[in-house]
Amino acid sequence: DGGITQSPKYLFRKEGQNVTLSCEQNLNHDAMYWYRQDPGQGLRLIYYSQIVNDFQKGDIAEGYSVSREKKESFPLTVTSAQKNPTAFYLCASSPTRVSNEQFFGPGTRLTVL
Amino acid sequence: GENVEQHPSTLSVQEGDSAVIKCTYSDSASNYFPWYKQELGKRPQLIIDIRSNVGEKKDQRIAVTLNKTAKHFSLHITETQPEDSAVYFCAASKGVEGNEKLTFGTGTRLTIIP
Repeated sequence: DGGITQSPKYLFRKEGQNVTLSCEQNLNHDAMYWYRQDPGQGLRLIYYSQIVNDFQKGDIAEGYSVSREKKESFPLTVTSAQKNPTAFYLCASSPTRVSNEQFFGPGTRLTVL
Repeated sequence: GENVEQHPSTLSVQEGDSAVIKCTYSDSASNYFPWYKQELGKRPQLIIDIRSNVGEKKDQRIAVTLNKTAKHFSLHITETQPEDSAVYFCAASKGVEGNEKLTFGTGTRLTIIP
């Protein structure tokens, strides 16, 4: 797990501002994922990417955007269109061709004031 | 799409007793079923997984069973210890032959009572 990092750990933003969450991995994993974790709702998939320069919407993509310009990086932007952005955000990566196991980052707790 | 339901949402057991968490899935094409453990303030970590070509898998005090016909799978923890206290998530996926994304259950908060 030490090979996947997220920053910052805590993030505070004013309502109406876009904010970008960082996710980096040095595991040489092909796939990367963004989840949102809310109490009692488990892990809900926002976006995922199986290869560089390609990504797909997950179950709750509205109000979010991503890019995958490099294999190591998969930043998530929470836009002002996201109605309830305060949550814990987890990034994960997976080697896919070798294993389905997903390795999670430490998470970013976003609070919108 | 896939839908995974997990029960119970909370579970308390005496130390040394067994704990069982159950999940059901909707997509019969799903073939990979992992379980993740998330301790308080930490990231989720894979503890055991099972593929659809087997019915049971064990790893020390942890076991997972799969009933493909009924589309449900369960996590069994025996001889529970305080360090087993955590939130446990089940998940389902179609694996490497299709869409690798995982669909997670809503989690079970397991508390071990000393």
